[in-house]
Amino acid sequence: QSALAQPASVSGSPGQEITISCTGTSSDIGTWTLVSWYQQYPGKAPQLIIYEEIKRPSGVSDRFSGSKSVNTASLTISGLQPEDEADYYCCSYAGNGVWLFGGGTKLTVL
Amino acid sequence: QVQLLQSGAEVKKPGSSVKVSCRASGGTFGHSAVSWVRQARGQGLEWTGTITPSLGGITNYAQTLRDRISITADRSTGTIYMQLDRLESEDTGVYYCARGGGSEGIDYWGPGSLVTVSS
Repeated sequence: QSALAQPASVSGSPGQEITISCTGTSSDIGTWTLVSWYQQYPGKAPQLIIYEEIKRPSGVSDRFSGSKSVNTASLTISGLQPEDEADYYCCSYAGNGVWLFGGGTKLTVL
Repeated sequence: QVQLLQSGAEVKKPGSSVKVSCRASGGTFGHSAVSWVRQARGQGLEWTGTITPSLGGITNYAQTLRDRISITADRSTGTIYMQLDRLESEDTGVYYCARGGGSEGIDYWGPGSLVTVSS
């Protein structure tokens, strides 16, 4: 299986809303609800911010939201803040015990 | 809060093997699966494999590594091991263990173990 497709970079100004897309196929994102999003700061381990497409773990800001349409999952960050500047990765189950990650998106807060 | 503890950095020669360990601070992963995800410097995340100790140690591996990787569990100590054989320079990177990857998504991550393959 191939990695999920994410834009290499997105940017936005403080207070704005941005959306990061994650495109897969009917074998992964299109079939399974096990889509997650992770935030990663340089030199640190990833942290879960969205699971099962739309759910937020306890302690994660409600400025982060997830959605899905057919074979594409999306992460939306509203009210952009400087501390949101990080790398973001999507992940989907692909069946038969296989998991796929996206290539990652670098978010720059201008 | 689940905390995952990993073994330290390793430097290996090409062609050799490395074995990285991971255990939960509470001593057990319960019914959860445990996955290994690696990241080369400046690159993205790559799932390498998953083990479910509570289901007899069922494993699933990434196709690209299937002939070189082995993930095992020592249930007496609650420790999960990831061994990678016939190392290549391209295997250099940080190896994360993480809870999940069975019937549920991956949630908690360990701090990572740096593996450097160099002659």
